[in-house]
Amino acid sequence: DAKTTQPNSMESNEEEPVHLPCNHSTISGTDYIHWYRQLPSQGPEYVIHGLTSNVNNRMASLAIAEDRKSSTLILHRATLRDAAVYYCILRDTTGNQFYFGTGTSLTVIP
Amino acid sequence: GAGVSQSPRYKVAKRGQDVALRCDPISGHVSLFWYQQALGQGPEFLTYFQNEAQLDKSGLPSDRFFAERPEGSVSTLKIQRTQQEDSAVYLCASSLVAGGRRSDTQYFGPGTRLTVL
Repeated sequence: DAKTTQPNSMESNEEEPVHLPCNHSTISGTDYIHWYRQLPSQGPEYVIHGLTSNVNNRMASLAIAEDRKSSTLILHRATLRDAAVYYCILRDTTGNQFYFGTGTSLTVIP
Repeated sequence: GAGVSQSPRYKVAKRGQDVALRCDPISGHVSLFWYQQALGQGPEFLTYFQNEAQLDKSGLPSDRFFAERPEGSVSTLKIQRTQQEDSAVYLCASSLVAGGRRSDTQYFGPGTRLTVL
């Protein structure tokens, strides 16, 4: 099953953009790339997902490399409420399981 | 509408006790998932239901773990003869469509933190 690799932690200044990278070199042609985030003492929440094209929503943007072996979650202006663990996830071939990995812990500095 | 709810939020059990954790998914959601999250780790898949059918239980760590969703809505995760290594947060998630489609969004509950003494 395809897995993802993310940096353990990152820091950003408040109101600056944040680029969270993810490598998924073994991704298959039909795997969607999902991003979730988990705030302290809460369950994960959906951020964004995509297949091949870049995606934008009110929370973030997702930039997917042309070969799909990597992607980047972009938070355009980090706020203190964005401090969380961000997970880059691929679905397995049955679509039943999310493989979360250890994620990237984002610290936002006021 | 209400999101996914879980109860209890916290559970302390003595080693060897049985526990039951409840999940109320979003109304009308076909798919339901259970995950286990150890401290400092990402959630790990336990099992998946489509309506009342348990279609995937490959993540259940031992036969002490049992999950059910008898009427296709509320689900219960039961752990028998709890051990210290069972201490974790247990997360429930639901999604609207069947079959675990790869583009479908999962909505997570706040989790139940289980501590086994």
